[in-house]
Amino acid sequence: DTGVSQDPRHKITKRGQNVTFRCDPISEHNRLYWYRQTLGQGPEFLTYFQNEAQLEKSRLLSDRFSAERPKGSFSTLEIQRTEQGDSAMYLCASSLDEDYGYTFGSGTRLTVV
Amino acid sequence: TQLLEQSPQFLSIQEGENLTVYCNSSSVFSSLQWYRQEPGEGPVLLVTVVTGGEVKKLKRLTFQFGDARKDSSLHITAAQPGDTGLYLCAGGGTSGSRLTFGEGTQLTVNP
Repeated sequence: DTGVSQDPRHKITKRGQNVTFRCDPISEHNRLYWYRQTLGQGPEFLTYFQNEAQLEKSRLLSDRFSAERPKGSFSTLEIQRTEQGDSAMYLCASSLDEDYGYTFGSGTRLTVV
Repeated sequence: TQLLEQSPQFLSIQEGENLTVYCNSSSVFSSLQWYRQEPGEGPVLLVTVVTGGEVKKLKRLTFQFGDARKDSSLHITAAQPGDTGLYLCAGGGTSGSRLTFGEGTQLTVNP
C-alpha cells in the first residue's frame, strides 16, 4: 500500500487554460475527498465521493470545477478556464465508511500565471 | 455553517517548553481530529476523539475533547524541533462524513 497518490505534484498554467489533476486513493478505501488549501489557511472542502457516487459538493466548487470517480477507484478534478484565484494546493484524501479521519495525499500545487 | 477557530495562530517557542493549542466552535461535532502538516505535504492524522471529555495521549502529546464536544485542545510537553509544523483541528459528523478544518496553528520550536 503506497498511500494516497496525487499527480502532478506541481502545475504551472496560464490563466484561461484547463487543468486536470489525478488522485489514486488507498485501494480499499471507498470514500474520496477533495480539498483546497491556500497559504496560511486550513483545507477547504470541495467535494467527496462514496465509491463512484458524488455525495456532496461545496459552494466553492463553481461551474468551472468538475470532479469524477468513474469506476470508484481513482478520481480526477478538472478546472476549466483557470483564474489566478485558483492558485492553491489541491489535496485529495481517502477513508473507509467507518473511519472518522482521512489519509491525505501530498497534494498538487497549482500556480496560475 | 460550522466553523472551527484555532488559537494561537502562530507560536514560536524554545526546545523543552510546553505549549497548548486550542480549537473552539459554537457547533457540536460528533468527532474531532488533529492533524500535523509539513510544508509541501498533506496533513497527517495524529488522533481522533469521539467522546465528550475524552483524553488521549500520544507520547508527549495530550489531546482533549470538551465535554460538550464543541472544543478541543492539544498539549505538547517538552517540545522538540521535530514538532515544528502546522497543527490543524478538524471536526466532523458521522464516520465517513466531510470534515471542517480550522485555520491551523503554525508551531516553530527553536533549538
